[in-house]
Amino acid sequence: DSGVTQTPKHLITATGQRVTLRCSPRSGDLSVYWYQQSLDQGLQFLIQYYNGEERAKGNILERFSAQQFPDLHSELNLSSLELGDSALYFCASSLRTGSYGYTFGSGTRLTVV
Amino acid sequence: GENVGLHLPTLSVQEGDNSIINCAYSNSASDYFIWYKQESGKGPQFIIDIRSNMDKRQGQRVTVLLNKTVKHLSLQIAATQPGDSAVYFCAENAGSQGNLIFGKGTKLSVKP
Repeated sequence: DSGVTQTPKHLITATGQRVTLRCSPRSGDLSVYWYQQSLDQGLQFLIQYYNGEERAKGNILERFSAQQFPDLHSELNLSSLELGDSALYFCASSLRTGSYGYTFGSGTRLTVV
Repeated sequence: GENVGLHLPTLSVQEGDNSIINCAYSNSASDYFIWYKQESGKGPQFIIDIRSNMDKRQGQRVTVLLNKTVKHLSLQIAATQPGDSAVYFCAENAGSQGNLIFGKGTKLSVKP
């Protein structure tokens, strides 16, 4: 157990729907990162939060959004889902922003049918 | 869950042999590099890191070599074991906030 908790582990939904993925960072970590892992694109950085504030944005679609709550857990919202959004979504956490050796969760596997 | 990446380069080695996994990174301005190991159904796991002011760093059974001239990184695993079977990713820092750019990955298969 890495200490980073992601729920749900698996999610199957239809095109056009909206889902929310949840991440609880490791105890004491203030920074949360979201990554998407797909067959053709590998691991792609989506977005980072530090202590509730957005700090960096990567290749995140406008249909996707995220937030980090006062208790430091984070949610990634994916809407108007398309078949191509099927992927593994990983959350990682670190103590502070700019700390690269962060810890990943086990991921949420999203299947859009 | 299985690993993504059905079209990953694959390295197959015999148990007990040394393994060398290579990676070409993209940005000459990157100054921090990490190797991650991803086992089936799990998230990437930190193995070893190196800063750009070094060209070699050793850990337990692993060594990372950095050649900034040709933007090349390698991971050497000594006395490879079946438990080393996984997909290995190199990553480089993409900015000051901590986000990383990951390579495509190499699948290491260890034959007993």
